[in-house]
Amino acid sequence: KAGVTQTPRYLIKTRGQQVTLSCSPISGHRSVSWYQQTPGQGLQFLFEYFSETQRNKGNFPGRFSGRQFSNSRSEMNVSTLELGDSALYLCASSPFPGSYNEQFFGPGTRLTVL
Amino acid sequence: DQQVKQNSPSLSVQEGRISILNCDYTNSMFDYFLWYKKYPAEGPTFLISISSIKDKNEDGRFTVFLNKSAKHLSLHIVPSQPGDSAVYFCAASAANAGNMLTFGGGTRLMVKP
Repeated sequence: KAGVTQTPRYLIKTRGQQVTLSCSPISGHRSVSWYQQTPGQGLQFLFEYFSETQRNKGNFPGRFSGRQFSNSRSEMNVSTLELGDSALYLCASSPFPGSYNEQFFGPGTRLTVL
Repeated sequence: DQQVKQNSPSLSVQEGRISILNCDYTNSMFDYFLWYKKYPAEGPTFLISISSIKDKNEDGRFTVFLNKSAKHLSLHIVPSQPGDSAVYFCAASAANAGNMLTFGGGTRLMVKP
Protein backbone atom coordinates (compact mmCIF):
# COMPACT_ATOMS: atom_id res chain seq x y z
CA LYS A 1 0.00 0.00 0.00
CA ALA A 2 1.50 3.36 -0.99
CA GLY A 3 2.09 5.84 1.82
CA VAL A 4 1.06 9.46 2.12
CA THR A 5 2.51 11.48 -0.74
CA GLN A 6 3.32 15.16 -0.51
CA THR A 7 4.35 17.35 -3.41
CA PRO A 8 6.56 19.16 -3.90
CA ARG A 9 9.13 17.99 -1.37
CA TYR A 10 11.04 21.26 -1.45
CA LEU A 11 9.97 24.74 -2.39
CA ILE A 12 11.61 28.16 -2.35
CA LYS A 13 9.46 31.27 -2.57
CA THR A 14 9.89 34.96 -1.88
CA ARG A 15 7.94 37.15 0.50
CA GLY A 16 4.54 38.18 -0.78
CA GLN A 17 4.13 35.20 -3.09
CA GLN A 18 1.60 32.46 -2.58
CA VAL A 19 2.13 28.72 -2.51
CA THR A 20 0.01 25.59 -2.88
CA LEU A 21 1.06 22.29 -1.34
CA SER A 22 -0.51 18.96 -2.20
CA CYS A 23 -1.19 15.82 -0.19
CA SER A 24 -2.38 12.47 -1.50
CA PRO A 25 -3.60 10.26 1.35
CA ILE A 26 -3.29 6.51 1.64
CA SER A 27 -5.90 4.77 -0.46
CA GLY A 28 -9.13 4.45 1.51
CA HIS A 29 -8.23 7.19 3.97
CA ARG A 30 -10.75 9.99 4.03
CA SER A 31 -9.36 12.21 6.79
CA VAL A 32 -6.44 14.53 6.09
CA SER A 33 -4.73 16.77 8.63
CA TRP A 34 -2.04 19.38 8.08
CA TYR A 35 0.69 20.41 10.51
CA GLN A 36 3.43 23.03 10.46
CA GLN A 37 6.78 22.20 12.02
CA THR A 38 9.24 24.95 12.89
CA PRO A 39 12.27 24.90 15.20
CA GLY A 40 10.74 27.49 17.50
CA GLN A 41 7.10 26.38 17.67
CA GLY A 42 7.40 22.63 17.11
CA LEU A 43 4.55 20.78 15.42
CA GLN A 44 1.38 22.84 15.22
CA PHE A 45 -2.00 21.77 13.91
CA LEU A 46 -3.22 23.71 10.88
CA PHE A 47 -6.49 22.08 9.84
CA GLU A 48 -8.28 18.81 9.28
CA TYR A 49 -10.53 17.74 6.44
CA PHE A 50 -12.96 14.86 6.21
CA SER A 51 -15.32 14.21 3.34
CA GLU A 52 -14.38 17.53 1.73
CA THR A 53 -15.33 19.48 4.87
CA GLN A 54 -13.00 21.32 7.20
CA ARG A 55 -13.63 19.92 10.66
CA ASN A 56 -11.05 21.73 12.73
CA LYS A 57 -8.74 24.67 12.28
CA GLY A 58 -5.72 25.60 14.33
CA ASN A 59 -4.66 29.03 15.44
CA PHE A 60 -3.28 30.33 12.16
CA PRO A 61 -4.11 33.51 10.23
CA GLY A 62 -6.53 33.50 7.33
CA ARG A 63 -3.60 33.46 4.89
CA PHE A 64 -3.53 29.72 5.51
CA SER A 65 -6.33 27.85 3.81
CA GLY A 66 -7.00 24.40 2.52
CA ARG A 67 -9.44 22.18 0.76
CA GLN A 68 -10.15 18.55 0.12
CA PHE A 69 -11.34 16.99 -3.09
CA SER A 70 -13.81 14.18 -3.63
CA ASN A 71 -10.93 11.70 -4.02
CA SER A 72 -9.70 12.76 -0.54
CA ARG A 73 -6.61 14.50 -1.92
CA SER A 74 -5.98 17.75 -0.12
CA GLU A 75 -4.24 21.02 -0.86
CA MET A 76 -3.19 23.80 1.42
CA ASN A 77 -2.53 27.33 0.29
CA VAL A 78 -0.55 30.10 1.93
CA SER A 79 -0.99 33.57 0.49
CA THR A 80 1.21 36.62 0.96
CA LEU A 81 4.09 34.58 2.27
CA GLU A 82 6.12 35.86 5.21
CA LEU A 83 9.61 34.85 6.30
CA GLY A 84 8.11 33.13 9.34
CA ASP A 85 6.18 30.76 7.10
CA SER A 86 9.40 28.90 6.38
CA ALA A 87 8.73 25.47 7.82
CA LEU A 88 8.20 21.81 7.17
CA TYR A 89 4.54 21.24 6.30
CA LEU A 90 3.33 17.77 7.16
CA CYS A 91 0.21 16.04 6.02
CA ALA A 92 -1.32 13.05 7.79
CA SER A 93 -4.08 10.75 6.63
CA SER A 94 -6.31 8.30 8.45
CA PRO A 95 -9.48 6.38 7.64
CA PHE A 96 -11.63 8.57 9.86
CA PRO A 97 -11.15 11.46 12.26
CA GLY A 98 -9.84 10.22 15.57
CA SER A 99 -8.41 6.99 14.18
CA TYR A 100 -4.99 7.91 15.54
CA ASN A 101 -3.55 4.42 15.51
CA GLU A 102 -4.15 4.31 11.78
CA GLN A 103 -2.91 7.81 11.06
CA PHE A 104 0.19 8.09 8.90
CA PHE A 105 2.27 11.14 8.14
CA GLY A 106 3.82 12.03 4.82
CA PRO A 107 7.48 13.09 4.49
CA GLY A 108 6.53 16.77 4.39
CA THR A 109 7.13 19.71 2.13
CA ARG A 110 10.03 21.94 3.14
CA LEU A 111 9.07 25.55 2.33
CA THR A 112 11.71 28.24 2.42
CA VAL A 113 10.60 31.87 2.15
CA LEU A 114 13.31 34.34 1.16
CA ASP B 1 0.87 28.75 26.18
CA GLN B 2 2.33 25.30 25.59
CA GLN B 3 -0.25 22.72 26.61
CA VAL B 4 2.10 19.80 26.03
CA LYS B 5 5.71 20.07 27.14
CA GLN B 6 8.75 17.89 26.80
CA ASN B 7 11.25 19.52 29.09
CA SER B 8 14.28 17.52 27.99
CA PRO B 9 15.39 18.52 24.50
CA SER B 10 17.85 15.64 24.38
CA LEU B 11 18.70 12.36 26.08
CA SER B 12 21.71 10.11 25.67
CA VAL B 13 21.54 6.43 26.71
CA GLN B 14 23.83 3.44 26.39
CA GLU B 15 22.66 0.57 24.21
CA GLY B 16 20.82 -2.07 26.24
CA ARG B 17 19.81 0.34 28.99
CA ILE B 18 16.41 1.90 29.59
CA SER B 19 15.40 5.16 27.93
CA ILE B 20 12.77 7.23 29.71
CA LEU B 21 11.21 10.14 27.88
CA ASN B 22 8.89 12.46 29.76
CA CYS B 23 5.96 14.65 28.81
CA ASP B 24 3.76 17.00 30.83
CA TYR B 25 0.42 18.51 29.87
CA THR B 26 -1.80 21.20 31.28
CA ASN B 27 -5.17 20.71 29.56
CA SER B 28 -7.36 18.43 31.67
CA MET B 29 -9.63 17.86 28.64
CA PHE B 30 -6.95 15.75 26.96
CA ASP B 31 -8.07 12.14 27.03
CA TYR B 32 -5.83 10.40 24.52
CA PHE B 33 -2.07 10.49 24.32
CA LEU B 34 0.36 9.30 21.68
CA TRP B 35 4.08 8.97 21.12
CA TYR B 36 5.68 9.43 17.73
CA LYS B 37 9.19 8.83 16.49
CA LYS B 38 10.70 11.01 13.80
CA TYR B 39 13.80 10.51 11.69
CA PRO B 40 15.27 13.38 9.68
CA ALA B 41 13.57 14.01 6.33
CA GLU B 42 10.65 11.77 7.28
CA GLY B 43 7.25 12.40 8.81
CA PRO B 44 6.52 11.27 12.38
CA THR B 45 5.74 7.58 12.83
CA PHE B 46 3.15 6.46 15.37
CA LEU B 47 4.68 4.38 18.18
CA ILE B 48 2.23 3.80 20.97
CA SER B 49 -0.81 5.41 22.54
CA ILE B 50 -2.77 5.41 25.77
CA SER B 51 -6.28 6.36 26.69
CA SER B 52 -6.94 8.35 29.84
CA ILE B 53 -8.88 5.41 31.30
CA LYS B 54 -5.64 3.44 31.51
CA ASP B 55 -2.39 4.09 33.32
CA LYS B 56 -0.13 1.81 31.31
CA ASN B 57 0.13 0.41 27.82
CA GLU B 58 2.81 -1.92 26.50
CA ASP B 59 3.91 -2.83 23.01
CA GLY B 60 7.07 -4.86 22.81
CA ARG B 61 10.00 -2.79 24.03
CA PHE B 62 7.82 0.31 24.41
CA THR B 63 5.69 1.11 27.46
CA VAL B 64 3.78 4.30 28.08
CA PHE B 65 2.76 5.31 31.59
CA LEU B 66 0.10 7.89 32.34
CA ASN B 67 -0.29 9.70 35.65
CA LYS B 68 -3.46 11.76 35.29
CA SER B 69 -3.27 13.42 38.69
CA ALA B 70 0.20 14.73 37.84
CA LYS B 71 -0.73 15.35 34.20
CA HIS B 72 2.40 13.45 33.23
CA LEU B 73 3.21 10.66 30.85
CA SER B 74 6.39 8.84 30.08
CA LEU B 75 7.69 6.50 27.41
CA HIS B 76 10.01 3.68 28.46
CA ILE B 77 12.14 1.89 25.89
CA VAL B 78 13.74 -1.30 27.15
CA PRO B 79 16.27 -2.32 26.01
CA SER B 80 17.36 0.71 23.99
CA GLN B 81 18.90 0.05 20.58
CA PRO B 82 20.98 2.33 18.33
CA GLY B 83 18.13 2.27 15.80
CA ASP B 84 15.93 3.98 18.39
CA SER B 85 17.98 7.16 17.96
CA ALA B 86 15.48 9.73 16.70
CA VAL B 87 13.34 12.62 17.88
CA TYR B 88 10.38 11.53 19.98
CA PHE B 89 7.21 13.59 20.21
CA CYS B 90 4.38 13.17 22.64
CA ALA B 91 0.96 14.36 21.51
CA ALA B 92 -2.44 14.73 23.10
CA SER B 93 -6.01 14.99 21.94
CA ALA B 94 -9.31 15.98 23.51
CA ALA B 95 -12.60 14.21 22.89
CA ASN B 96 -14.45 15.31 19.77
CA ALA B 97 -11.33 17.02 18.47
CA GLY B 98 -11.11 14.76 15.44
CA ASN B 99 -7.50 14.24 14.57
CA MET B 100 -6.37 17.51 16.09
CA LEU B 101 -3.26 16.70 18.04
CA THR B 102 -1.29 19.01 20.29
CA PHE B 103 2.38 18.10 20.18
CA GLY B 104 5.22 18.59 22.60
CA GLY B 105 8.47 20.10 21.39
CA GLY B 106 10.23 16.77 21.05
CA THR B 107 13.16 15.00 22.72
CA ARG B 108 16.16 13.87 20.71
CA LEU B 109 17.20 10.41 21.87
CA MET B 110 20.72 9.18 21.15
CA VAL B 111 21.45 5.55 21.89
CA LYS B 112 25.18 4.88 21.97
CA PRO B 113 26.51 1.46 20.95
